[in-house]
Amino acid sequence: GAVVSQHPSRVICKSGTSVKIECRSLDFQATTMFWYRQFPKQSLMLMATSNEGSKATYEQGVEKDKFLINHASLTLSTLTVTSAHPEDSSFYICSAREGTGFSNQPQHFGDGTRLSIL
Amino acid sequence: QQQVKQSPQSLIVQKGGISIINCAYENTAFDYFPWYQQFPGKGPALLIAIRPDVSEKKEGRFTISFNKSAKQFSLHIMDSQPGDSATYFCAASNRGGATNKLIFGTGTLLAVQP
Repeated sequence: GAVVSQHPSRVICKSGTSVKIECRSLDFQATTMFWYRQFPKQSLMLMATSNEGSKATYEQGVEKDKFLINHASLTLSTLTVTSAHPEDSSFYICSAREGTGFSNQPQHFGDGTRLSIL
Repeated sequence: QQQVKQSPQSLIVQKGGISIINCAYENTAFDYFPWYQQFPGKGPALLIAIRPDVSEKKEGRFTISFNKSAKQFSLHIMDSQPGDSATYFCAASNRGGATNKLIFGTGTLLAVQP
């Protein structure tokens, strides 16, 4: 149980294009999902907290107009990297916390999306 | 105060040996301490977690030791196997906090030699 599916697993695109990444909780509902960025051999850096039906909360230094987050249902959150440039190349990982409303349940992670901007 | 410090950065252990990874935190409001295992190209997977009301939790070959007064916790992997070779992250969160977000350590790359 507690499976989080992330799609696509890998994307390569030209500079200037926008890329959408989907994060789905397959067998549970999740009011709250999280988006992380991970550089090679480094830890996970939280970008934003996504709450179903409301605006995402972005961490300091993360451009909200650059990284658009939509959490339209209890099982789906999307991250759109707008007008992507080579410096946006990274490994993006989502997680979902089980439960609706305020929850103390653990976060379950997707398998990440390797984004490469040429 | 929000940091979680993790050591060592890398670790090489012989098959059958004990792997020990340590973490320390400052924020006394943290009340949930999970460990995640990450293989290359994959997302982190929850391995084991502990709350501060217990000093030790064991699940199979994995044990968390927790020292509340020292604000430290550690992961012990008994009988380490080559399949345990991965990057391990400790984390901490304040589950009663407004956002309940995880603060991750810097990671430990474990290599178990056959």
